[in-house]
Amino acid sequence: SQTIHQWPATLVQPVGSPLSLECTVEGTSNPNLYWYRQAAGRGLQLLFYSVGIGQISSEVPQNLSASRPQDRQFILSSKKLLLSDSGFYLCAWSVGSAGRNSPLHFGNGTRLTVT
Amino acid sequence: KNQVEQSPQSLIILEGKNCTLQCNYTVSPFSNLRWYKQDTGRGPVSLTIMTFSENTKSNGRYTATLDADTKQSSLHITASQLSDSASYICVVSQSGNKLVFGAGTILRVKS
Repeated sequence: SQTIHQWPATLVQPVGSPLSLECTVEGTSNPNLYWYRQAAGRGLQLLFYSVGIGQISSEVPQNLSASRPQDRQFILSSKKLLLSDSGFYLCAWSVGSAGRNSPLHFGNGTRLTVT
Repeated sequence: KNQVEQSPQSLIILEGKNCTLQCNYTVSPFSNLRWYKQDTGRGPVSLTIMTFSENTKSNGRYTATLDADTKQSSLHITASQLSDSASYICVVSQSGNKLVFGAGTILRVKS
């Protein structure tokens, strides 16, 4: 069966520090991979998605970047965190594009607090 | 503007009772509509996916309906349990990797 691992679960970082969140998927090949951010009281916002190794699409200009060094590994990074980067970050995967009739499978998220 | 509006924002019901959550959308073009359940501090889990031609879809005690003409969907929970306490998120898919998420309805089931 397929599983998705996301870590760390919680993270407290000072403003200006770097960030690296990692996500790995097991049990499937060539998944589409996604990073979402969830703010309290608002819908999930798509940050990045990837349809293959080294292929990254950015949805929202921001202080973050993403990389996909391996087929089932997706990394969210920042060189210098801002207070506004605080939030709940979710990694997800799908078979084919998320807009088709296949569900998105989410990890359990990382709660990031920038102080 | 593509939007998904959910109501109510929050709801408290007694264990064993039924409830219905609403979702109205203005997303176009439309590919499918999904309902997700998100427990506190966890990632969302898919409950149902409905395409344009589907009016009703069930998953255990969860039944989703879709009216593509009025652009409305509902999620009905039957005989609620304490474990149903969660946020329920309505998501409308356009095409490609474009999904529009609602803000969710927070359901609390009391004993």
